[in-house]
Amino acid sequence: RKEVEQDPGPFNVPEGATVAFNCTYSNSASQSFFWYRQDCRKEPKLLMSVYSSGNEDGRFTAQLNRASQYISLLIRDSKLSDSATYLCVVNIRGRGSTLGRLYFGRGTQLTVWP
Amino acid sequence: GAGVSQTPSNKVTEKGKYVELRCDPISGHTALYWYRQSLGQGPEFLIYFQGTGAADDSGLPNDRFFAVRPEGSVSTLKIQRTERGDSAVYLCASGRAGETQYFGPGTRLLVL
Repeated sequence: RKEVEQDPGPFNVPEGATVAFNCTYSNSASQSFFWYRQDCRKEPKLLMSVYSSGNEDGRFTAQLNRASQYISLLIRDSKLSDSATYLCVVNIRGRGSTLGRLYFGRGTQLTVWP
Repeated sequence: GAGVSQTPSNKVTEKGKYVELRCDPISGHTALYWYRQSLGQGPEFLIYFQGTGAADDSGLPNDRFFAVRPEGSVSTLKIQRTERGDSAVYLCASGRAGETQYFGPGTRLLVL
């Protein structure tokens, strides 16, 4: 079983729509949680960290449910420039180390159309 | 400031050949990570370094893969006897210990 499971989509939405992505993670030892954005043929870039208390950055809201091991991302008022792949990421403490390795979901593809 | 750089950006090689992929991390970042991303998948962890030492190499798929970071800055990922299944984008990331990882643009490796 993969550490992070994500619906690959694709999600095709009109401009202005609200869209939600979800993912689940299997390892209860996961320490930190993130959403990364990846444009076509580009590297992943950190979109935002995810906390149990929820956090918001403009049109983006992320939420973590540790009991259900579930992470969500909500995008409001979608823009054409939001078209990308959104990667759900967890950070698990490495073997015998204080640093964490990142585990990525396969990504959810979003296309926003005019 | 300058981000993570990787060279070459693209590499085409023949099955059985040896390749080296280079990563220049952000200055001052002690942690360096290698990931591999296949088409339609998220990046998969290979190895990371804290300073010069490999702190965790458990993601390396087999003994054909090896990575070094001799001076605690630049790292080289080495693949021996390449196979077609090694074709992927190889991503390098760097960060300060325990903090956000910043990715380079990747090296696209194609093994014919």
